[in-house]
Amino acid sequence: QKEVEQDPGPLSVPEGAIVSLNCTYSNSAFQYFMWYRQYSRKGPELLMYTYSSGNKEDGRFTAQVDKSSKYISLFIRDSQPSDSATYLCAMSANAGGTSYGKLTFGQGTILTVHP
Amino acid sequence: DAGVTQSPTHLIKTRGQHVTLRCSPISGHKSVSWYQQVLGQGPQFIFQYYEKEERGRGNFPDRFSARQFPNYSSELNVNALLLGDSALYLCASSGEAGDTQYFGPGTRLTVL
Repeated sequence: QKEVEQDPGPLSVPEGAIVSLNCTYSNSAFQYFMWYRQYSRKGPELLMYTYSSGNKEDGRFTAQVDKSSKYISLFIRDSQPSDSATYLCAMSANAGGTSYGKLTFGQGTILTVHP
Repeated sequence: DAGVTQSPTHLIKTRGQHVTLRCSPISGHKSVSWYQQVLGQGPQFIFQYYEKEERGRGNFPDRFSARQFPNYSSELNVNALLLGDSALYLCASSGEAGDTQYFGPGTRLTVL
């Protein structure tokens, strides 16, 4: 069993739809949770970074973490064709910088938003 | 400010050869990590370096090695290349405690 499970999709939605992306995990030591967006053949771009349980909102994006259920979500409101990309969840037991901050990623969900 | 930079962008090698990939972190960042991303999968952790010391190593064979220089740039070396080493190699840097990791554009390695 993988430490982090993510439905690879693909997910196809019409422009303006609300998108829900999810990951489950098994390692209870994970405390830091991230969502990255990756366009084809590019490096991952950080979208959201949260610590422990709770919600965080940034523009059209909302990240939710439920540590009791070992479940994290990313919601995209008013989705746009430019949101079409692969979305990766990632998590770690420690923060980066001076700490050992190995990230464990999900497989990634391919999202297409069509006009 | 410039983000994480990596070179080269693309690389084609044959089996058995050796390759060196390079990474420059965001200015002020002292920690560099390397990840391998095979097509259709999420990135897999290879190494983390902080202040030129190895902080962590993923489940990769000894053919993979890395080092960090005094200016915090880093090299990833892979010896005796196999077809299965074909992947996007990503470098990420992070700042002080509590910071997350910011990724570069990657180096796409193809082994023939």
